[in-house]
Amino acid sequence: NAGVTQTPKFQVLKTGQSMTLQCAQDMNHNSMYWYRQDPGMGLRLIYYSASEGTTDKGEVPNGYNVSRLNKREFSLRLESAAPSQTSVYFCASSEEGPKRVGYTFGSGTRLTVV
Amino acid sequence: SQKIEQNSEALNIQEGKTATLTCNYTNYSPAYLQWYRQDPGRGPVFLLLIRENEKEKRKERLKVTFDTTLKQSLFHITASQPADSATYLCALDESNTGKLIFGQGTTLQVKP
Repeated sequence: NAGVTQTPKFQVLKTGQSMTLQCAQDMNHNSMYWYRQDPGMGLRLIYYSASEGTTDKGEVPNGYNVSRLNKREFSLRLESAAPSQTSVYFCASSEEGPKRVGYTFGSGTRLTVV
Repeated sequence: SQKIEQNSEALNIQEGKTATLTCNYTNYSPAYLQWYRQDPGRGPVFLLLIRENEKEKRKERLKVTFDTTLKQSLFHITASQPADSATYLCALDESNTGKLIFGQGTTLQVKP
């Protein structure tokens, strides 16, 4: 099925551990995004990539790094996880310009840092 | 201060009625605004996009209005059904770069 695939779906980390969240899209979109969603805070942009080879910070980038591996894949890395990073993480992709429609989101990664 | 405001209280309505959700924003002049639906445990799903030069947009039982003077969008679901129960998010592009800022969402509960 066409769309955005995120792995893993669930993860529990200990404080200080590292991990990479994977995201891949098969819609040939140029733009990709990582958001986190917390109760009462809504969706907040962590990083985005307007095209292959480019990345830029969003609203809450501290503690995260990203890699746009190719046009399909955009990964999010937590180098040293903290309890404040417990959240649901969503990857999304979109087409910009005159063909703009909405984002296509993945199903999310539920991360708990203990 | 919050940049996009949606009713934080849940909206409860009876099946068959029209649900109206509000999205207010400040300090922006967005070229377009979007609405999404999110079910528990799932990612948001895109519903409608309305551009600044469009006052109204329809898709089946959904209607969105966009008043750039009032800085407000209204989202209507006519003939609502229990299956419409979900959280609805509005989003806008603050800098016309494609990066969306989302409201916190309004939860709609349609009772049979």
